Amino acid sequence: GAVVSQHPSWVICKSGTSVKIECRSLDFQATTMFWYRQFPKQSLMLMATSNEGSKATYEQGVEKDKFLINHASLTLSTLTVTSAHPEDSSFYICSHRGRAEKLFFGSGTQLSVL
Amino acid sequence: DAKTTQPPSMDCAEGRAANLPCNHSTISGNEYVYWYRQIHSQGPQYIIHGLKNNETNEMASLIITEDRKSSTLILPHATLRDTAVYYCIVTAGGTSYGKLTFGQGTILTVHP
Repeated sequence: GAVVSQHPSWVICKSGTSVKIECRSLDFQATTMFWYRQFPKQSLMLMATSNEGSKATYEQGVEKDKFLINHASLTLSTLTVTSAHPEDSSFYICSHRGRAEKLFFGSGTQLSVL
Repeated sequence: DAKTTQPPSMDCAEGRAANLPCNHSTISGNEYVYWYRQIHSQGPQYIIHGLKNNETNEMASLIITEDRKSSTLILPHATLRDTAVYYCIVTAGGTSYGKLTFGQGTILTVHP
């Protein structure tokens, strides 16, 4: 199996500040990680695909300059929400493919922007 | 990825089997059926997946119809901790696997 550690679990920040979310693969070398977002009472939506050592690819409608993704090692991908605004308040979840075509998810980060 | 249709909600008594249906009439030959669940305020959890044969693991069983246009996830003895949103997802897998399209899922409520 694989374990994904994501933190922080929740964060409250002021509008205009930046927030970094970390996603670690604890027992699997993940060349690719995925970042999802989930608004209240809605389903998960894929934001971007994080590739180790190269640029992330973003889904349509997701601003790459606002949601900075860094995947510098096989075990760590980070998502930075820059100049956060209240509309960025959401539940952010990372994931990666483990063995046997399974997707493993982190526990999620609840971001609240005041 | 093929679109799936699930009932918005279901109830189940604790200890009984929970049978969650999913329609995927436009599934392609190379697409798998995956089930994940999400307990409130947590990340989704993998349950089971299959191509065309029925599958069983320690968590659940997956029954796929012969024409592959629908499937049923079976939790044999539901517990209160199985209360969650259950997502049925159809995807081709391979190198693009991971870019999952989540629908609204089925809210399963297990009651005492």
